[in-house]
Amino acid sequence: EMVMTQSPATLSVSPGERATLSCRASQYVSNNLAWYQQKPGQAPRLLIYGASTRATGIPARFSGSGSGTEFSLTISSLQSEDFAVYYCQEYNDWPPITFGQGTRLEIK
Amino acid sequence: QVTLRESGPALVKPTQTLTLTCTFSGFSLISNRMCVFWVRQPPGKALEWLARIDWDDDKWYSKSLKTRLTISKDTSKSQVLLTMTNMDPVDTGTYYCARKGPLWNYLDYWGQGIPVTVSS
Repeated sequence: EMVMTQSPATLSVSPGERATLSCRASQYVSNNLAWYQQKPGQAPRLLIYGASTRATGIPARFSGSGSGTEFSLTISSLQSEDFAVYYCQEYNDWPPITFGQGTRLEIK
Repeated sequence: QVTLRESGPALVKPTQTLTLTCTFSGFSLISNRMCVFWVRQPPGKALEWLARIDWDDDKWYSKSLKTRLTISKDTSKSQVLLTMTNMDPVDTGTYYCARKGPLWNYLDYWGQGIPVTVSS
């Protein structure tokens, strides 16, 4: 059974600074990894798929990297609207798809 | 413009059956060979995949919930339905439908979600 582990659970960063979030898969997933942003009371929003491809309309300050079992999401210069919970999701092991437990990005 | 919207009861009693409807627009399941997922999220917790239905009526279920779930579609109404039997308080959460991306099993468009509480 695939397990996706995100770290840290909470990340405190100041606006304008860089944030790097990590996601580790318990098994090889190639580049079949997506990232989502979720704000309170809202549905998740797709940010990245294929580990590094930005979804339509996603600002360039969001970037994804990694392959195999280790992945990261970097937000280069945090804006106020970026403070949210971020989830990774693998889709290499279909079925099922598996989400990480999330990283909460909060204002420092 | 792709949109999805969930509808159904906000409150169900333990042991009852939950039926949720996802009404979508901006794409065709059949013509575009699309798939629709259901995902849920307990309060304050992570996302959990429940089921997927494909344009050709293939159906996929979470192994842990397979015996309780049924997914179906009504293409004439642009709807996907999910039923979950024998509801329990641990099933409380927000239920989302979402569209599968054009290439792989990431979810490119999501409904707003419908909160469901299981309580007597």
